Amino acid sequence: DILLTQSPATLSVSPGERATLSCRATQSVGSNLAWYQQKPGQAPRLLIYGALTRAPGIPARFSGSGSGTEFTLTISSLQSEDSAVYYCQLYNNWPLSITFGQGTRLEIK
Amino acid sequence: EVRLAQSGAEMKKPGESLTISCQVFEDPFPNSWVGWVRQMPGKGLDWMGIINPLDSDVRYSPSFEGQVTISVDKSIKTAYLQWSRLQASDSAIYYCAKMQFWEFDSWGQGTLVTVS
Repeated sequence: DILLTQSPATLSVSPGERATLSCRATQSVGSNLAWYQQKPGQAPRLLIYGALTRAPGIPARFSGSGSGTEFTLTISSLQSEDSAVYYCQLYNNWPLSITFGQGTRLEIK
Repeated sequence: EVRLAQSGAEMKKPGESLTISCQVFEDPFPNSWVGWVRQMPGKGLDWMGIINPLDSDVRYSPSFEGQVTISVDKSIKTAYLQWSRLQASDSAIYYCAKMQFWEFDSWGQGTLVTVS
């Protein structure tokens, strides 16, 4: 099975600054990686798919990069509403597996 | 805009059976796979399985195969997640979500299942 490791586990950043979240896979998944945001009491929301494509309605301050085994979610110019847990998710076609990372908790100071 | 509406919270006893549901509205791609995701209290997201509404093809996560049953009634665009014998460890929020390509682009509101 392909595993995902997110780092750091917790990140505390001031408003207006940039946050960089990492997701590493144990083997290559090409660009089959997505990022989600989950706020307390809410369902996850898709932010990025195909490693770098923003989902509809997602602000431009959210950007994804990477391919293969190393991926990054960058949130520029942080706002208080960005406080949430962020998950990466991979899809592998054969054998079929869909795996979520363990999450990064982003706190806005 | 696609909307997924899940059934309400459930409180059950160990050993009981349970089926929860997820109805998909306004999907321009009605054959999109639908998945189920577990979130245990204070924990992350666990993929359980996905189902193709067109032909009921189901793919389970190895962690959940044999533990739950995923099914669909395409006539009413509703997916189901079923347990035959609940355990306390099944207490969690269960989300259904629609797949776009390889990711989940629309999510239900979640169904809280409490087994005690």
